[in-house]
Amino acid sequence: RKEVEQDPGPFNVPEGATVAFNCTYSNSASQSFFWYRQDCRKEPKLLMSVYSSGNEDGRFTAQLNRASQYISLLIRDSKLSDSATYLCVVTHSGYSTLTFGKGTMLLVSP
Amino acid sequence: EPEVTQTPSHQVTQMGQEVILRCVPISNHLYFYWYRQILGQKVEFLVSFYNNEISEKSEIFDDQFSVERPDGSNFTLKIRSTKLEDSAMYFCASSELGLAGPSNEQFFGPGTRLTVL
Repeated sequence: RKEVEQDPGPFNVPEGATVAFNCTYSNSASQSFFWYRQDCRKEPKLLMSVYSSGNEDGRFTAQLNRASQYISLLIRDSKLSDSATYLCVVTHSGYSTLTFGKGTMLLVSP
Repeated sequence: EPEVTQTPSHQVTQMGQEVILRCVPISNHLYFYWYRQILGQKVEFLVSFYNNEISEKSEIFDDQFSVERPDGSNFTLKIRSTKLEDSAMYFCASSELGLAGPSNEQFFGPGTRLTVL
């Protein structure tokens, strides 16, 4: 069973659309949760951490459901510059290493 | 803004050759990591390093791999005898000291693309 699973994508949306990414993780001892963004052939960059209470950063909203082991990312009012691969990432209790999902590609078109 | 740097950006080598990938972490960071990403696949953890020793490693990090912090600024990954399946993008990352261990945020370098022929 994969540790972190994401929608395979790609998601093709027009500018201004709202898009949601889903992620599930298998290890109930997972401790910290993140969304990273990766542009083509570039390094991953932290987009936002995900907290149990849910958190928002501008057009981006992240949610965590520990009982269901489910993480989500909502992007409102998509911009062309949002086109990238979105990576769901977790850490396990006692370890700082990051476990990545395969990512979901987003393509925002004019 | 401080950043993690990596050299070279692209390394081409023959199967069986040794390669050394170099990283300069952010200067006040204490925790260092190597990850790899095979083309089209997910980013995979290789090894973490703290206080001049390996703190964790994955099953990918076998005897062919080693890491070193030869001086106060560089952090290297050596692959002793490269195989075709070692072809991947190798990312170095670093993080600073958090409240109780490493900070959650890891900063990634731009990566070294290793091609083994």
